Amino acid sequence: AQTVTQSQPEMSVQEAETVTLSCTYDTSESNYYLFWYKQPPSRQMILVIRQEAYKQQNATENRFSVNFQKAAKSFSLKISDSQLGDTAMYFCALAFGNTGKLIFGQGTTLQVKP
Amino acid sequence: SQTIHQWPATLVQPVGSPLSLECTVEGTSNPNLYWYRQAAGRGLQLLFYSVGIGQISSEVPQNLSASRPQDRQFILSSKKLLLSDSGFYLCAWSVLGMGSTDTQYFGPGTRLTVL
Repeated sequence: AQTVTQSQPEMSVQEAETVTLSCTYDTSESNYYLFWYKQPPSRQMILVIRQEAYKQQNATENRFSVNFQKAAKSFSLKISDSQLGDTAMYFCALAFGNTGKLIFGQGTTLQVKP
Repeated sequence: SQTIHQWPATLVQPVGSPLSLECTVEGTSNPNLYWYRQAAGRGLQLLFYSVGIGQISSEVPQNLSASRPQDRQFILSSKKLLLSDSGFYLCAWSVLGMGSTDTQYFGPGTRLTVL
């Protein structure tokens, strides 16, 4: 079975500081993809960043970067220079196979404080 | 560019009434389509996915059904709603490469309350 675990239900960070959200996963697939999605109060799911498992290099998108540790099955998200607009619920997700089905973690609520 | 629409945005229905939620995608052909449900403060659970017209796969046994009458249209239905069907329903699409998965993009969602 494929599982995704986010062990931090809530986190907070001061504006302009850096925060890291944790995610671990379990899969027997050899070819899979990992994602971080952001869900602000509007509840629209927004893609933050994606990582192909076969790539060793960690993905980066502007202030967002990941630390992908394949052997440890860990996929953390680092947000640098946090902004008030980063306040949202963040979901880690795993996809595999030709159907592209997503398995989501339970989410981490991030509060950025001024 | 691609866009995904869902309607209605909000729905309040009595127990035992029927349901029809619609999702349409513009700007792409032959997308994979997905229905997810999100309970309050929780992660998303995949309900159905479709890789083509008339092709529906169900992920969990439930009171709901899905149909795909057109390439870019995905409908979530129920004949008789239960209280437990309340939640936030999200539709998503992706276009897969050769033997690979790809990013899913989500619609704005429908908030369903069953009373």
